[in-house]
Amino acid sequence: EVQLVESGGGVLQPGGSLRLSCAASGFTFGDYAMHWVRQAPGKGLEWVSFITGDGRDTYYADSVKGRFTVSRDNSKNSLYLQMNSLRLEDTALYYCTKETQTTGFDHWGQGTLVSVSS
Amino acid sequence: QSVLTQPPSASGTPGQRVIISCSGSSSNIGRNYLYWYQQLPGTAPKLLIYRNNQRPSGVPDRFSGSKSGTSTSLVISELRSEDEADYYCSTWDDSLTAWVFGGGTKLAVL
Repeated sequence: EVQLVESGGGVLQPGGSLRLSCAASGFTFGDYAMHWVRQAPGKGLEWVSFITGDGRDTYYADSVKGRFTVSRDNSKNSLYLQMNSLRLEDTALYYCTKETQTTGFDHWGQGTLVSVSS
Repeated sequence: QSVLTQPPSASGTPGQRVIISCSGSSSNIGRNYLYWYQQLPGTAPKLLIYRNNQRPSGVPDRFSGSKSGTSTSLVISELRSEDEADYYCSTWDDSLTAWVFGGGTKLAVL
């Protein structure tokens, strides 16, 4: 059974940094691109970033480009999101998702909450 | 403003058919597969439709998708109370080199 478990969320002030983690199990992690998608309280889904299975290529939404860095450690079946220069508008539930080329985002974690507040 | 446009709300009574639209442009829906996600209250999103009109195993055939040009639709036939949820369309945008989501449609079953 595929499982994605996010961790690392918390409460912090604007300008702070945080590193999110996603522990994956139940599939060959290195074979799949992985994504971060966020959802601000009461709002819709916003794609944040993705990394290819081999970790060579990364993509970011304009809203986080230059501030967030996605990475992965295939030996640990783990996905990461380093978030720097956090802003109030980064407050959201951050989901880790697995992408299958044929079926899209076919599995999602339960999310980890990041709250940026002054 | 979302790159993909969805109506903010939709509603129907049990047994009715409901259609949720999603429109985009030639750089996204016009060139790439469209995906639909269902988000029940308080839960993570779930893949509902992939590659425009395919259903993952376990998704009832009451749910179907279609695409024409730069627009797409999710059709829910024989509406049930458990279908009350938020629905999102999504695809890759070649110009933005980014995945994009619609703003979401909140479906109420009256």
